[in-house]
Amino acid sequence: DAGVIQSPRHEVTEMGQEVTLRCKPISGHDYLFWYRQTMMRGLELLIYFNNNVPIDDSGMPEDRFSAKMPNASFSTLKIQPSEPRDSAVYFCASSFNSFTDTQYFGPGTRLTVL
Amino acid sequence: ILNVEQSPQSLHVQEGDSTNFTCSFPSSNFYALHWYRWETAKSPEALFVMTLNGDEKKKGRISATLNTKEGYSYLYIKGSQPEDSATYLCAYGSGGYQKVTFGTGTKLQVIP
Repeated sequence: DAGVIQSPRHEVTEMGQEVTLRCKPISGHDYLFWYRQTMMRGLELLIYFNNNVPIDDSGMPEDRFSAKMPNASFSTLKIQPSEPRDSAVYFCASSFNSFTDTQYFGPGTRLTVL
Repeated sequence: ILNVEQSPQSLHVQEGDSTNFTCSFPSSNFYALHWYRWETAKSPEALFVMTLNGDEKKKGRISATLNTKEGYSYLYIKGSQPEDSATYLCAYGSGGYQKVTFGTGTKLQVIP
């Protein structure tokens, strides 16, 4: 298996633009997690899905952030409109069949909002 | 908010030294405790998952213990090598909140 795939790896955009981050989890994994890494807060859980259904989105910062998982092999995290304070590395991770199973992380997307 | 604390925040050791760090977590509603190793510019990689009080895990020179009653886990590295330099994260799985919360990590630098 190729592991968790994220795209793009780097994104530079201007304030106010829409940004879409993409994730393909490991095949057969039922759980998908989106995290944000910042200097101040470390690794923050934004949202996670079980069998494509959002379970906990309490970490989503505000209405500008939204996440979808239309099928078992694809998820998006969208920021609209983007702001400079959204600049961070965004990780996607997947796990097999429990929210407590080992998580396998993608390479991350480094987002810079100018 | 679940409080998962790791100490120390950072650590410098000489090559060959043994070291250990701590992860503290709520002792109620415990499901699982994970340790991850996170090298700079890479993604976190799983080291261990522990679910039972008294669990001990070992992988090469790295081992971990778990005390769910008092809410802590220790990670030990024996004979540190420069390639052990990384941030070590623990993650606490709570049944009550149905989520996993990561600590902020211990950054280890091993000096040759």
